Amino acid sequence: KAGVTQTPRYLIKTRGQQVTLSCSPISGHRSVSWYQQTPGQGLQFLFEYFSETQRNKGNFPGRFSGRQFSNSRSEMNVSTLELGDSALYLCASSTGGQGSPEAFFGQGTRLTVV
Amino acid sequence: QQQVKQSPQSLIVQKGGISIINCAYENTAFDYFPWYQQFPGKGPALLIAIRPDVSEKKEGRFTISFNKSAKQFSLHIMDSQPGDSATYFCAAGHRQGAQKLVFGQGTRLTINP
Repeated sequence: KAGVTQTPRYLIKTRGQQVTLSCSPISGHRSVSWYQQTPGQGLQFLFEYFSETQRNKGNFPGRFSGRQFSNSRSEMNVSTLELGDSALYLCASSTGGQGSPEAFFGQGTRLTVV
Repeated sequence: QQQVKQSPQSLIVQKGGISIINCAYENTAFDYFPWYQQFPGKGPALLIAIRPDVSEKKEGRFTISFNKSAKQFSLHIMDSQPGDSATYFCAAGHRQGAQKLVFGQGTRLTINP
Protein backbone atom coordinates (compact mmCIF):
# COMPACT_ATOMS: atom_id res chain seq x y z
CA LYS A 1 0.00 0.00 0.00
CA ALA A 2 1.52 3.32 -1.03
CA GLY A 3 2.13 5.86 1.70
CA VAL A 4 1.37 9.55 1.81
CA THR A 5 2.93 11.41 -1.10
CA GLN A 6 3.80 15.09 -0.92
CA THR A 7 5.03 17.15 -3.83
CA PRO A 8 7.27 18.92 -4.36
CA ARG A 9 9.86 17.88 -1.78
CA TYR A 10 11.68 21.21 -1.87
CA LEU A 11 10.68 24.72 -2.88
CA ILE A 12 12.42 28.07 -2.86
CA LYS A 13 10.20 31.11 -3.21
CA THR A 14 10.61 34.86 -2.92
CA ARG A 15 8.80 37.03 -0.40
CA GLY A 16 5.43 38.15 -1.71
CA GLN A 17 4.96 35.17 -4.00
CA GLN A 18 2.41 32.43 -3.50
CA VAL A 19 2.92 28.68 -3.36
CA THR A 20 0.81 25.55 -3.72
CA LEU A 21 1.72 22.26 -2.09
CA SER A 22 0.13 18.93 -2.90
CA CYS A 23 -0.67 15.84 -0.82
CA SER A 24 -1.96 12.46 -1.96
CA PRO A 25 -3.26 10.42 0.99
CA ILE A 26 -3.13 6.68 1.50
CA SER A 27 -5.66 4.95 -0.70
CA GLY A 28 -9.01 4.76 1.07
CA HIS A 29 -8.20 7.55 3.52
CA ARG A 30 -10.63 10.45 3.41
CA SER A 31 -9.04 12.82 5.91
CA VAL A 32 -6.03 15.00 5.18
CA SER A 33 -4.50 17.27 7.79
CA TRP A 34 -1.74 19.82 7.27
CA TYR A 35 0.94 20.79 9.78
CA GLN A 36 3.76 23.33 9.82
CA GLN A 37 7.02 22.25 11.44
CA THR A 38 9.64 24.80 12.49
CA PRO A 39 12.54 24.54 14.98
CA GLY A 40 11.04 27.25 17.15
CA GLN A 41 7.33 26.39 17.15
CA GLY A 42 7.47 22.65 16.57
CA LEU A 43 4.56 20.93 14.85
CA GLN A 44 1.51 23.13 14.53
CA PHE A 45 -1.86 22.17 13.08
CA LEU A 46 -3.01 24.18 10.07
CA PHE A 47 -6.28 22.58 8.99
CA GLU A 48 -8.02 19.29 8.24
CA TYR A 49 -10.17 18.29 5.31
CA PHE A 50 -12.60 15.40 5.23
CA SER A 51 -14.74 14.56 2.23
CA GLU A 52 -13.84 17.87 0.55
CA THR A 53 -14.93 19.94 3.59
CA GLN A 54 -12.69 21.77 6.03
CA ARG A 55 -13.50 20.15 9.34
CA ASN A 56 -11.05 21.94 11.62
CA LYS A 57 -8.73 24.91 11.45
CA GLY A 58 -5.70 26.02 13.46
CA ASN A 59 -4.57 29.50 14.39
CA PHE A 60 -2.92 30.61 11.17
CA PRO A 61 -3.64 33.74 9.15
CA GLY A 62 -5.96 33.68 6.17
CA ARG A 63 -2.95 33.59 3.83
CA PHE A 64 -2.93 29.87 4.51
CA SER A 65 -5.71 28.03 2.75
CA GLY A 66 -6.44 24.57 1.46
CA ARG A 67 -8.83 22.40 -0.41
CA GLN A 68 -9.58 18.76 -0.99
CA PHE A 69 -10.67 17.09 -4.17
CA SER A 70 -13.16 14.28 -4.69
CA ASN A 71 -10.30 11.74 -4.87
CA SER A 72 -9.18 12.93 -1.38
CA ARG A 73 -6.03 14.59 -2.72
CA SER A 74 -5.42 17.90 -1.01
CA GLU A 75 -3.62 21.12 -1.80
CA MET A 76 -2.41 23.82 0.50
CA ASN A 77 -1.84 27.37 -0.67
CA VAL A 78 0.12 30.13 0.98
CA SER A 79 -0.22 33.61 -0.49
CA THR A 80 1.98 36.67 -0.01
CA LEU A 81 4.83 34.63 1.39
CA GLU A 82 6.80 35.94 4.35
CA LEU A 83 10.26 34.92 5.53
CA GLY A 84 8.66 33.33 8.60
CA ASP A 85 6.73 30.92 6.40
CA SER A 86 9.95 28.98 5.80
CA ALA A 87 9.21 25.57 7.28
CA LEU A 88 8.62 21.91 6.64
CA TYR A 89 4.99 21.45 5.66
CA LEU A 90 3.62 18.04 6.48
CA CYS A 91 0.39 16.40 5.57
CA ALA A 92 -1.14 13.51 7.46
CA SER A 93 -3.61 11.00 6.14
CA SER A 94 -6.21 9.10 8.15
CA THR A 95 -9.44 7.28 7.54
CA GLY A 96 -11.28 10.05 9.34
CA GLY A 97 -13.74 7.48 10.57
CA GLN A 98 -15.10 7.07 14.07
CA GLY A 99 -12.59 5.53 16.43
CA SER A 100 -9.81 5.34 13.82
CA PRO A 101 -7.62 8.32 14.59
CA GLU A 102 -4.27 6.95 13.40
CA ALA A 103 -2.58 9.59 11.25
CA PHE A 104 0.25 8.81 8.86
CA PHE A 105 2.57 11.55 7.68
CA GLY A 106 4.23 12.17 4.36
CA GLN A 107 7.87 13.22 4.05
CA GLY A 108 6.93 16.84 3.83
CA THR A 109 7.65 19.78 1.58
CA ARG A 110 10.57 21.95 2.64
CA LEU A 111 9.67 25.55 1.80
CA THR A 112 12.33 28.22 1.91
CA VAL A 113 11.28 31.85 1.49
CA VAL A 114 14.07 34.25 0.52
CA GLN B 1 -5.70 24.23 27.60
CA GLN B 2 -4.57 22.88 24.28
CA GLN B 3 -0.92 22.54 25.24
CA VAL B 4 1.10 19.36 25.53
CA LYS B 5 4.34 19.76 27.47
CA GLN B 6 7.18 17.36 26.72
CA SER B 7 10.44 16.75 28.57
CA PRO B 8 13.34 16.50 28.35
CA GLN B 9 14.27 18.47 25.23
CA SER B 10 17.28 16.24 24.67
CA LEU B 11 18.37 12.91 26.11
CA ILE B 12 21.54 10.86 25.86
CA VAL B 13 21.37 7.18 26.79
CA GLN B 14 23.90 4.41 26.58
CA LYS B 15 23.22 1.46 24.32
CA GLY B 16 21.15 -1.11 26.17
CA GLY B 17 19.74 1.43 28.61
CA ILE B 18 16.17 2.64 29.10
CA SER B 19 15.08 5.90 27.47
CA ILE B 20 12.20 7.72 29.17
CA ILE B 21 10.33 10.70 27.72
CA ASN B 22 7.50 12.40 29.57
CA CYS B 23 4.48 14.40 28.48
CA ALA B 24 1.72 16.27 30.28
CA TYR B 25 -1.55 17.57 28.87
CA GLU B 26 -4.21 19.93 30.12
CA ASN B 27 -7.37 19.26 28.15
CA THR B 28 -9.25 16.33 29.71
CA ALA B 29 -11.29 15.99 26.52
CA PHE B 30 -8.29 14.42 24.78
CA ASP B 31 -8.77 10.68 24.42
CA TYR B 32 -6.02 9.66 22.03
CA PHE B 33 -2.30 9.87 22.78
CA PRO B 34 0.15 8.82 20.05
CA TRP B 35 3.92 8.94 19.93
CA TYR B 36 5.81 9.71 16.74
CA GLN B 37 9.42 9.09 15.76
CA GLN B 38 11.12 11.38 13.27
CA PHE B 39 14.46 10.92 11.56
CA PRO B 40 16.23 13.85 9.83
CA GLY B 41 14.71 14.58 6.44
CA LYS B 42 11.70 12.37 7.07
CA GLY B 43 8.14 12.91 8.22
CA PRO B 44 7.04 11.72 11.66
CA ALA B 45 6.22 8.01 11.83
CA LEU B 46 3.53 6.68 14.15
CA LEU B 47 5.21 4.56 16.79
CA ILE B 48 2.59 3.60 19.34
CA ALA B 49 -0.62 5.09 20.74
CA ILE B 50 -2.79 4.71 23.83
CA ARG B 51 -6.33 5.49 25.01
CA PRO B 52 -7.02 6.93 28.49
CA ASP B 53 -8.87 3.80 29.64
CA VAL B 54 -5.62 1.82 29.44
CA SER B 55 -2.74 2.42 31.87
CA GLU B 56 -0.02 0.77 29.81
CA LYS B 57 0.55 -0.42 26.27
CA LYS B 58 3.59 -2.31 25.05
CA GLU B 59 4.79 -2.93 21.51
CA GLY B 60 8.15 -4.63 21.31
CA ARG B 61 10.72 -2.48 23.09
CA PHE B 62 8.35 0.51 23.26
CA THR B 63 5.94 1.04 26.16
CA ILE B 64 3.51 3.86 26.89
CA SER B 65 2.53 4.44 30.51
CA PHE B 66 -0.56 6.55 31.10
CA ASN B 67 -1.66 8.30 34.31
CA LYS B 68 -5.12 9.75 33.75
CA SER B 69 -5.44 11.43 37.17
CA ALA B 70 -2.11 13.23 36.76
CA LYS B 71 -2.77 13.95 33.06
CA GLN B 72 0.62 12.55 32.17
CA PHE B 73 1.95 9.89 29.86
CA SER B 74 5.40 8.64 29.04
CA LEU B 75 7.31 6.62 26.49
CA HIS B 76 9.81 4.02 27.63
CA ILE B 77 12.29 2.53 25.17
CA MET B 78 13.84 -0.61 26.58
CA ASP B 79 17.26 -1.90 25.47
CA SER B 80 17.84 1.35 23.55
CA GLN B 81 19.82 0.95 20.33
CA PRO B 82 21.81 3.46 18.21
CA GLY B 83 19.12 3.08 15.52
CA ASP B 84 16.62 4.56 17.99
CA SER B 85 18.46 7.89 17.80
CA ALA B 86 15.80 10.27 16.50
CA THR B 87 13.42 13.00 17.62
CA TYR B 88 10.34 11.77 19.46
CA PHE B 89 7.07 13.67 19.69
CA CYS B 90 4.13 13.00 21.95
CA ALA B 91 0.73 14.24 20.87
CA ALA B 92 -2.86 14.43 22.04
CA GLY B 93 -6.07 14.33 20.07
CA HIS B 94 -9.51 12.84 19.74
CA ARG B 95 -10.48 9.36 18.62
CA GLN B 96 -13.56 10.59 16.88
CA GLY B 97 -14.44 13.58 14.81
CA ALA B 98 -12.00 16.13 13.51
CA GLN B 99 -8.45 14.88 13.22
CA LYS B 100 -6.32 17.48 14.95
CA LEU B 101 -3.23 16.56 16.95
CA VAL B 102 -1.57 18.84 19.49
CA PHE B 103 2.13 18.00 19.65
CA GLY B 104 4.73 18.31 22.34
CA GLN B 105 7.93 20.17 21.50
CA GLY B 106 9.91 17.02 20.83
CA THR B 107 12.82 15.18 22.45
CA ARG B 108 16.06 14.62 20.60
CA LEU B 109 17.26 11.18 21.69
CA THR B 110 20.85 10.05 21.17
CA ILE B 111 21.89 6.49 21.93
CA ASN B 112 25.62 6.16 22.42
CA PRO B 113 27.14 2.88 21.23
